[in-house]
Amino acid sequence: EAQVTQNPRYLITVTGKKLTVTCSQNMNHEYMSWYRQDPGLGLRQIYYSMNVEVTDKGDVPEGYKVSRKEKRNFPLILESPSPNQTSLYFCASSLGWVGTDTQYFGPGTRLTVL
Amino acid sequence: AQKVTQAQTEISVVEKEDVTLDCVYETRDTTYYLFWYKQPPSGELVFLIRRNSFDEQNEISGRYSWNFQKSTSSFNFTITASQVVDSAVYFCALVSGGSEKLVFGKGTKLTVNP
Repeated sequence: EAQVTQNPRYLITVTGKKLTVTCSQNMNHEYMSWYRQDPGLGLRQIYYSMNVEVTDKGDVPEGYKVSRKEKRNFPLILESPSPNQTSLYFCASSLGWVGTDTQYFGPGTRLTVL
Repeated sequence: AQKVTQAQTEISVVEKEDVTLDCVYETRDTTYYLFWYKQPPSGELVFLIRRNSFDEQNEISGRYSWNFQKSTSSFNFTITASQVVDSAVYFCALVSGGSEKLVFGKGTKLTVNP
């Protein structure tokens, strides 16, 4: 089944404790992206990747890192999480450019930073 | 700069009523793509439609229809004869030609009451 998977789905952590949210897709998609969703703010793009080893900042990259060493994986790293990073996070992928190719979203990861 | 405005934060209707969700966008590019996504209470994001800036033809898919008007920079979404299962948050989104950033509106929460 074609899908985007994220792990973990739920995470409660404490300020400053490094964490990684994994994202994997099995559709051989080139484009992957991370978003955060906050009440009243909609979805905002954190980082995106157009291909292996090619990443760039979205609109809210502060406090996050990403890597794209393999085509299928695009982990989101929070090196020193803070309470303002409490949010619902979505990973997404598309075959190519998001304008012309449908973007598929993962199920979401709900992160709480205490 | 790209911007998407969904002025309706929440809408509540009774089943079988028609409802229109508004979306107004801003971009300086002549080539751009507009999207609607649905987020049901279960939380996943479901792609509904993509429309490019060169195609102003309205689209109908079952009870759903979309009205794209470049003159007013709007891409409105109408649900005819709404059903309880239509209850969800609906997001409008925009990406301009050459940009890798998909910009979302803040979403409209639709509640359809039986």
